[in-house]
Amino acid sequence: QLQLQESGPGLVKPSETLSLTCKVSGGSISSSSYYWGWIRQPPGKGLEWIGSIYYTGSTYYNPSLKSRVTISVDTSKDQFSLKLNSVTAADTSVYYCARHPARLLAARPFDYWGQGTLVIVSS
Amino acid sequence: DIQMTQSPSSLSASLGDRVTITCQASHDISNYLNWYQQKPGKAPKLLISDASNLETGVPSRFSGSGSGTDFSFTISSLQPEDIATYYCQQYDRFPPRLTFGGGTKVEIK
Repeated sequence: QLQLQESGPGLVKPSETLSLTCKVSGGSISSSSYYWGWIRQPPGKGLEWIGSIYYTGSTYYNPSLKSRVTISVDTSKDQFSLKLNSVTAADTSVYYCARHPARLLAARPFDYWGQGTLVIVSS
Repeated sequence: DIQMTQSPSSLSASLGDRVTITCQASHDISNYLNWYQQKPGKAPKLLISDASNLETGVPSRFSGSGSGTDFSFTISSLQPEDIATYYCQQYDRFPPRLTFGGGTKVEIK
């Protein structure tokens, strides 16, 4: 059974960089069939897709966050990472990692999710 | 830039009622539309992919339909365990982008 687990600091200071890692177990991140993505959810609010990465390192990002986001992959460790720089209180959210198919001519549903990790931006 | 309009933002219905949620895209997205259920403190769960494809293990009272710009999600007979927030999510190919609707909170009347 595929499992995803987020890890990283739960508290980040304003203007600093938020860094999270998602460890994939029960399957390989190097599958040609999937992208691996990050989604966030501010407390009490809706879901926002941040970006996704293929095992080759190919990425696509939410245009509204693209200037501050970097997603990378480490296939040797079956994990991928998120960096969000210049954070403000508005970046306080539960951050989820998840998997979606790499199909070109079909919807890209997130079928496996991590449990989520709360990151608070505060001094 | 694609917009997803999900409605209503909340609804209250009786057990056994038929419940319908809609999502409207700002331009044609074919059938590239998925539906999720999220319960408090939990990650979202995929219910329906490609507008109408029921995921394995999901009860048949859940269904989805639509294509192009207009989509709907239906619970045919509301059960206590269906109390949750539901989200649509679309895939736009050019440029590639994923967008969630604003969510619909379903409560028992």
